[in-house]
Amino acid sequence: NAGVMQNPRHLVRRRGQEARLRCSPMKGHSHVYWYRQLPEEGLKFMVYLQKENIIDESGMPKERFSAEFPKEGPSILRIQQVVRGDSAAYFCASSPGGASSYEQYFGPGTRLTVT
Amino acid sequence: DQQVKQNSPSLSVQEGRISILNCDYTNSMFDYFLWYKKYPAEGPTFLISISSIKDKNEDGRFTVFLNKSAKHLSLHIVPSQPGDSAVYFCAARSGGSYIPTFGRGTSLIVHP
Repeated sequence: NAGVMQNPRHLVRRRGQEARLRCSPMKGHSHVYWYRQLPEEGLKFMVYLQKENIIDESGMPKERFSAEFPKEGPSILRIQQVVRGDSAAYFCASSPGGASSYEQYFGPGTRLTVT
Repeated sequence: DQQVKQNSPSLSVQEGRISILNCDYTNSMFDYFLWYKKYPAEGPTFLISISSIKDKNEDGRFTVFLNKSAKHLSLHIVPSQPGDSAVYFCAARSGGSYIPTFGRGTSLIVHP
């Protein structure tokens, strides 16, 4: 019974390149959340998705960041034209239903380094 | 403007003793509180939670205490074990909101 999977685990990009982070939720989970952890900080919510729908993107930067959770396949967090300040650990979590009723299960994270 | 504060970045405890991790919050709308444990290179793992209608919740060696008037909660680990060495995040959310607000974490080291 695999947990939440994220890949890649480590990603290095040069300034201006695109970063794509993938998240496969736990089996049976249809709700996905993305968080970002900057150095010496706590986790900050970015976006909440269900299959084919963005439910809440209030934590997403207005530019360069986008997320999707297609009917088939993993959820993807996409960062265009990366800058050094995007260097962080990005965590995905999933839950079987609405997050007010269910705990979120986290993946191991993707550590993005922008050089 | 941090709504959930963990003022101790680190804590060192001897094996077998009690570990007490503290957390303060400022938002009086928070009514559900969670503790997560995180090992290096892994994601956070849910540990224990407490609703604002309670002042204590216990699960094995882990107990969370909530003092609503002081807007303070604490996690007690008794007895502490070397395997408890990890970063502990306090988180809080308000009724109807599904997204927890996290503190910055406290790194616990339990010495054998």
